[in-house]
Formats: sequence, structure tokens, C-alpha cells
Amino acid sequence: DSGVTQTPKHLITATGQRVTLRCSPRSGDLSVYWYQQSLDQGLQFLIQYYNGEERAKGNILERFSAQQFPDLHSELNLSSLELGDSALYFCASSVAGLNTGELFFGEGSRLTVL
Amino acid sequence: AQKITQTQPGMFVQEKEAVTLDCTYDTSDQSYGLFWYKQPSSGEMIFLIYQGSYDEQNATEGRYSLNFQKARKSANLVISASQLGDSAMYFCAMRERYSGGGADGLTFGKGTHLIIQP
Repeated sequence: DSGVTQTPKHLITATGQRVTLRCSPRSGDLSVYWYQQSLDQGLQFLIQYYNGEERAKGNILERFSAQQFPDLHSELNLSSLELGDSALYFCASSVAGLNTGELFFGEGSRLTVL
Repeated sequence: AQKITQTQPGMFVQEKEAVTLDCTYDTSDQSYGLFWYKQPSSGEMIFLIYQGSYDEQNATEGRYSLNFQKARKSANLVISASQLGDSAMYFCAMRERYSGGGADGLTFGKGTHLIIQP
């Protein structure tokens, strides 16, 4: 158990809809990272938050947004969903920025868009 | 250019044999970390082993060892005495301190699908 909790584990929805994925980082971890894993693109970094502030953006679509709340949990919002958004979405956390230690991954949220 | 290159999309290995999974990386940072993760068919990312760029000794964790050759920018994973349960996707990843464009998360390779045969 990594200590990172993601909900829901599985989600099936239709094109055009909006979903919210939730992540609770390990206790004490200030940094939260979101990754998307699809068959054709592999593991892609989407966005990072550090202590409530957006730190960096990766390959995140404009239809996607995220935030980190004062209690450090994070949400990834995916809107106007398309078939290609079907993927496994991971959240990871680490103690602080600018270090090279381990990231702890949640079990992922598997999104299927029909 | 790819930051992490895994040249073996798939490998078949006999049970009990040793396995080497290749990984090369590219960074201009002096301080960085190299990781290997295992992803079984159930999907979770399981941390296996970590090597810091300043670590002089190769990292080992049970049956896993990391063959770190800094000058060659190589960080191969060695699994000794492979088991059927080792069948999974294996990802090499790097965490840079300064060259991530502001992000300090992991950059992943495309993975190697390892299948252990009885």
C-alpha cells in the first residue's frame, strides 16, 4: 500500500460527459502529480501541484483541469470526453519538490469512454 | 530526443533464468534519480528499485539489481532467478532535479513487456 488513494477505481461514461477523479496523497506529501497511461501514448505527465499551487504542466489538454485543495487532496476534471480519453489515470505524490526520491503511486482510475 | 529509451518492447524468458532489461537515459542534470517500476496486468505501478546519480554502489533490492553505468547513461534492471510472477510490464523512469521544465516528476520509458515461461 503506497498510501496514495485514488477514487473511483473504475469509471464508465459516454462521450461529451464530464468526470472528476480524486486523489489523496500520502500523509505529509506536498506534491501531487497526475499521469495518463494509454495504449498508444504510454505514461504521460499531465500536471503537478505543490502545496496547493500549480507547479508545472505537461501534456494536459485544455478540456482537462486540476486543482489541489488546502487539505492537499487533488482532483482532475475531464470534460467533453472523447473516446481517446479512455485511459488509466494515475496520481502520485512525493514529500517536496526539487528532490530526486521516490514518487508514490495510487492504484489508478480506469476511465472508459463509450 | 527521448529522455528514457527502453529498446526491448517484449521479452520471453525461461523461469529461473536471469533477466536484464535495458534502459538508457538522457539528461544534462548532475542530480537525478533513476527508477524501475513493475506494472502487472492489474494495472498498479509497483516501485522496484532506485538509483541516485551520486550513488557509487549499484542499487539492490532482493532479486532486483540496477546496473548503473553513469558514463554510458545506462541503468539496466537485472532480475535474478526469474519467477512466473515476474511477468509484467517494466518501466524505467528518471526524475531530474532541474531540467524538467519546472516539473520534478518522473519521465517514463515506453516499457518492456516481460513474459516468464515455465
